[in-house]
Amino acid sequence: GESVGLHLPTLSVQEGDNSIINCAYSNSASDYFIWYKQESGKGPQFIIDIRSNMDKRQGQRVTVLLNKTVKHLSLQIAATQPGDSAVYFCAAPNQAGTALIFGKGTTLSVSS
Amino acid sequence: ETGVTQSPTHLIKTRGQQVTLRCSSQSGHNTVSWYQQALGQGPQFIFQYYREEENGRGNFPPRFSGLQFPNYSSELNVNALELDDSALYLCASSLESTETEAFFGQGTRLTVV
Repeated sequence: GESVGLHLPTLSVQEGDNSIINCAYSNSASDYFIWYKQESGKGPQFIIDIRSNMDKRQGQRVTVLLNKTVKHLSLQIAATQPGDSAVYFCAAPNQAGTALIFGKGTTLSVSS
Repeated sequence: ETGVTQSPTHLIKTRGQQVTLRCSSQSGHNTVSWYQQALGQGPQFIFQYYREEENGRGNFPPRFSGLQFPNYSSELNVNALELDDSALYLCASSLESTETEAFFGQGTRLTVV
């Protein structure tokens, strides 16, 4: 079936470093991907999305890269700050387009 | 902060009881989806409501049911609660029943004892 998974369950970085969170997906027909940030006690917060006709998309301090050949996407956070500490999920729609399929998440810890 | 609000924020119920969770969608959004998030896991899709009709369902038993009202707010009902139903229940609203940007509420933490 369809699946979306993250490579590492945890990532620890120093403040100011760049962070890279990776995600793999199984459905080659997927054409839309979203990254969410979830802080403790809160719901997932939309960060950035990308459609399959793009390889790269940039936001404020974040960049998403999509490699359709190997079915992999990554979220890069520049100059990571303590406020970036959270669980990050990649998600993609199911084939019907009615639901998002989430991976288990990567917990990013930023130390000062 | 998104415009999606959920109530209550926390709830404790006894096994076998029934529970109703509520969600108000973001203004202008006609689609509401419900997700269950167990501790340490990603959200799992329960079902979606689009213009008051169920528009898709995940792998959850019939004791999970829902409603959407004309103002697009929604309820999630769970009957015959089991201990494994303890989780964070998330509501997400979006415009139309597509995979466009979905906004999540803060969730309802349900504990079944």
